[in-house]
Amino acid sequence: DAKTTQPPSMDCAEGRAANLPCNHSTISGNEYVYWYRQIHSQGPQYIIHGLKNNETNEMASLIITEDRKSSTLILPHATLRDTAVYYCIVTSSSNTGKLIFGQGTTLQVKP
Amino acid sequence: DADVTQTPRNRITKTGKRIMLECSQTKGHDRMYWYRQDPGLGLRLIYYSFDVKDINKGEISDGYSVSRQAQAKFSLSLESAIPNQTALYFCATSDKGLAGRNEQFFGPGTRLTVL
Repeated sequence: DAKTTQPPSMDCAEGRAANLPCNHSTISGNEYVYWYRQIHSQGPQYIIHGLKNNETNEMASLIITEDRKSSTLILPHATLRDTAVYYCIVTSSSNTGKLIFGQGTTLQVKP
Repeated sequence: DADVTQTPRNRITKTGKRIMLECSQTKGHDRMYWYRQDPGLGLRLIYYSFDVKDINKGEISDGYSVSRQAQAKFSLSLESAIPNQTALYFCATSDKGLAGRNEQFFGPGTRLTVL
């Protein structure tokens, strides 16, 4: 599975959009980009995933660059409850289902 | 009721003791996983199982064993606990269904301390 690189921490003002970047320059054609988050030692929570196209769901949007070497998770209106560690994970569609977690980005949403 | 439950939620034990952590799920998923998380780090995969007859080692299986008693139950054992197994342990499940789907559902975690 491709390795990912994320900034260790970011701040965001409440109500503003939070844009969390992820680099995955060695991603291969059959690998998906997944985002999870973990709120204060709770079990991680799935947010969104994508292959090539941008994706949106009720929680967030995922923007994947055309060359697929990087992506951005967007929380459109961050709230204090979005304060968490966000993990960007790249995994193959033929993968055994394993997720390789890096250290993620700690997002602090401030009032 | 929670879809993925773990028992116990907290456990303190002594070096050399045998410990079993249990995981149950009501999601009807075939796949189940055990992870551990050390402070300030991401999760690391210990074992995973695709069905009752399938058990696979993950990144850090040494010192651990597992049992898949039924589709809904997956237990993790520490045969002889040691202090560096002090960690937060998570169970997760996923559906084998659609290609590319790797959405895993996590339990609340078990905080294990080995003295």
